[in-house]
Amino acid sequence: QSVLTQPPSASGTPGQTVTISCSGSNSNFGTTYVYWYQQLPGTAPKLLIYRDNQRPSGVPDRFSGSKSGTSASLAISGLRSEDEADYYCAAWDDRLSVNWVFGGGTRLTVL
Amino acid sequence: QITLKESGPTLVKPTQTLTVTCTFSGFSVSVSGVGVGWLRQPPGKAPEWLALVYWDDEKRFSPTLNSRLTITKYTSKNQVVLTMTDMDPMDTGTYYCAHYRGLHFDYWGPGIWVTVSS
Repeated sequence: QSVLTQPPSASGTPGQTVTISCSGSNSNFGTTYVYWYQQLPGTAPKLLIYRDNQRPSGVPDRFSGSKSGTSASLAISGLRSEDEADYYCAAWDDRLSVNWVFGGGTRLTVL
Repeated sequence: QITLKESGPTLVKPTQTLTVTCTFSGFSVSVSGVGVGWLRQPPGKAPEWLALVYWDDEKRFSPTLNSRLTITKYTSKNQVVLTMTDMDPMDTGTYYCAHYRGLHFDYWGPGIWVTVSS
């Protein structure tokens, strides 16, 4: 069971806006940032959002992140077929000892 | 341009020790704030962080795997090596190394698939 909780699946049609949630706790989101990764089939995870809501260069502004308290979300607007992938949230957690933790992942399907 | 690539055995037997090497370019692990980490991903599951070595040689390990892991950096060779002892079939998966800076892993290698089987 993951420290960070994500819905296992999400879906949308091209052009729609989809939001993926990630629920944490005071030992992670309460003290540090949330990060989002996109993993296309057969490839390594790619950083999508860092420090809650910052986009690395090259990531389209269709992708946006937000955090409030111990919950975070990733929004994808103008959905495209190439957005079909697994999405993971991640953060540092200090519940037991310092530990980089991931959510269980959300499989996004573009219908 | 930052790139990383993992290398090592693709098949290990149960109880053996896994040694995987990360060879990178485009950055130096001696620069303040920089680190290299290892993560793995079992088939069909989320990634899992294993270990991280910082520019000053400070090391951090997953609390659940701490006793089995060693991480070493070879600055002049631009390499970071991870060893994991007492391998089990449950350790099968893709092993990734990643560049670390600013509290997160930003660039990842393509990964190496490791099967643990007799």
